[in-house]
Order: sequence, then C-alpha cells, then structure tokens
Amino acid sequence: QQQVKQSPQSLIVQKGGISIINCAYENTAFDYFPWYQQFPGKGPALLIAIRPDVSEKKEGRFTISFNKSAKQFSLHIMDSQPGDSATYFCAASRGPGGSYIPTFGRGTSLIVHP
Amino acid sequence: DTEVTQTPKHLVMGMTNKKSLKCEQHMGHRAMYWYKQKAKKPPELMFVYSYEKLSINESVPSRFSPECPNSSLLNLHLHALQPEDSALYLCASSQDPKYRGRHEQFFGPGTRLTVL
Repeated sequence: QQQVKQSPQSLIVQKGGISIINCAYENTAFDYFPWYQQFPGKGPALLIAIRPDVSEKKEGRFTISFNKSAKQFSLHIMDSQPGDSATYFCAASRGPGGSYIPTFGRGTSLIVHP
Repeated sequence: DTEVTQTPKHLVMGMTNKKSLKCEQHMGHRAMYWYKQKAKKPPELMFVYSYEKLSINESVPSRFSPECPNSSLLNLHLHALQPEDSALYLCASSQDPKYRGRHEQFFGPGTRLTVL
C-alpha cells in the first residue's frame, strides 16, 4: 500500500517557468512533511519541510502548500532554473513514536530546459 | 564537519565475496540509518541505530549485517549477495529521532554496489 502518492512521475519545464509537484497521503498520524532533492550520483538532501499546522511555507523560490483537510501537499518551484533539474521526493513522517522515519513518494524527475 | 561520508564510492563484488560499507559522521548525531535505493525509486529503509543500538530492522535478509562500533561510525557488512542487491546504498544520520526539530535526516552520497 502506497501511503504517499506523488505526481507527476516526470516534469519538463522551460527556464523561468513554475514547476509543480503534488503529493497526497492517507495516514492522518503523519505530522511532518519534508521534500528532498536528489541529483544524479548524490544522496537526497532536505529542501524544505512543513508541519500540518501551517498552510504554506516559502524558502526562496521554493514553496510548500499544505491542505490538511484534503490530505494533500505540493511543491512549487518559481522561476525554475536548469540547476533545479533533479529528482524530487515528497515524504511524510510521524514522531516521536514513529521516529520521524520518512515514508517517501515515488519521486518526480524534473528537467528544466534552458 | 557537517556532512555524512561514505566509503567506498563504488564497489563491485562477486556473490561469494565478503565486503563492508562504511559511513561516518562527526555532527554528534545519535541516530544513523542505512537505506537501499534502486534506480528511479525512492530510498528504502533497511536499518536504524539509535544511541548505538539497533532499533529498527526492516526485515532485511541476513546477508546484510549492520554494525555501529561507536556513535560516529556505521558499517554494513555484506556476504553472499545476489545480483538483485545491486543498488545505491545510502547512509543517513539525525541528531535525535525522538525530538521535534532534531530529527531531520542528513544523507551521505551513497555507495554504488554492483553484484556480479
């Protein structure tokens, strides 16, 4: 059973455009929602994260929107750049009993064309 | 030092070999993790060590044997692996998985393992 559903699987965007990746979860016990960015040959790196008591969080060009009632959250990358080309994983976790072990989505391969 | 290091970067081994992967962090983190990642898939959790004790084993085959000699070091011993075990093996660490604000995981670059 896939607890975190992520779409789309791949995304191609022109430089300067907006990239949007969506995720949905089922377990209402999740209380932490991170996004990871992974470049080829590298490990995932935490990009931005949100808690369910906040509906939006922005860090630079990256914004998470969170809809608790719909159990959905999304990543928006504004003014997308070729350097943003990577695989993005959404995740959900719960703590402290769940030790904040992330349940990952399947990933989105983003390509930003110059 | 704010990174997780892993050695070797690449490893090719036969099915009868014994090898070990090494992970190190000097951030004072008390939890360390092993993940397996296949191409175009998310990381899959294998083991968690919390305060140097094995706290989670995700039903991993016994041909993978983790070891945590001290709070900074994590090893993964490999024996009699199968070709389907070929993958990127990632190590991660976190300050303390029980506390909000100190649970974020920092990943190393991984070891690319090929089993022939």
